[in-house]
Amino acid sequence: QVQLKESGPGLVQPSQTLSLTCTVSGFSLTSYNVHWVRQPPGKGLEWMGVIWSGGNTDYNSALKPRLSISRDTSKSQVFLTMNSLQTEDTGIYYCNREIGGYWGQGVMVTVSS
Amino acid sequence: DIQMTQSPSSLPASLGDRVTITCRASQDIGNYLRWFQQKPGKSPRLMIYGATNLAAGVPSRFSGSRSGSDYSLTISSLESEDMADYYCLQSKESPFTFGSGTKLEIK
Repeated sequence: QVQLKESGPGLVQPSQTLSLTCTVSGFSLTSYNVHWVRQPPGKGLEWMGVIWSGGNTDYNSALKPRLSISRDTSKSQVFLTMNSLQTEDTGIYYCNREIGGYWGQGVMVTVSS
Repeated sequence: DIQMTQSPSSLPASLGDRVTITCRASQDIGNYLRWFQQKPGKSPRLMIYGATNLAAGVPSRFSGSRSGSDYSLTISSLESEDMADYYCLQSKESPFTFGSGTKLEIK
């Protein structure tokens, strides 16, 4: 069945780089798009970006200067890298397939020294 | 970027009420509008896609509609399990954008 699971460090220091992995199963990354969405504590959902099935990417305009999404199709993994982290980047980070019915459980990231 | 203006931000309601949440798009998005439900500590759940289509497994008391640039999610008779946060999302063009959310709570 279709599954997505995020993984990564729970704590990142300010100004450092965040690296998250979304490991998928039950579908091919060359057939479906994978998006990243985040949610600060107690706040709303924010679309971050997407890697399309063809391998191209699109990003949230505000995050574009410091965000990168890539993938390894052989490992069924999608990667999110974001640099220059600040406290306002604290939140839950979700990957999902096609912004549809399949989401990961989310991973909590705290930016703090 | 397309802006999605969602209202209200909070909606106190009683069980059995008919409730409506609205999103207005800043430019034409056609029917590329989705609605999500999110409960505390859970991932978002797709409720409506294509502005009016019910996602798999969603109760029929939920419905979506469109009037021009205004999109609505309606619950015909509120049940306790519907108490949650709701978000709209436009998927017409990248960057995709969410509405600011509506907290549906018991009056």
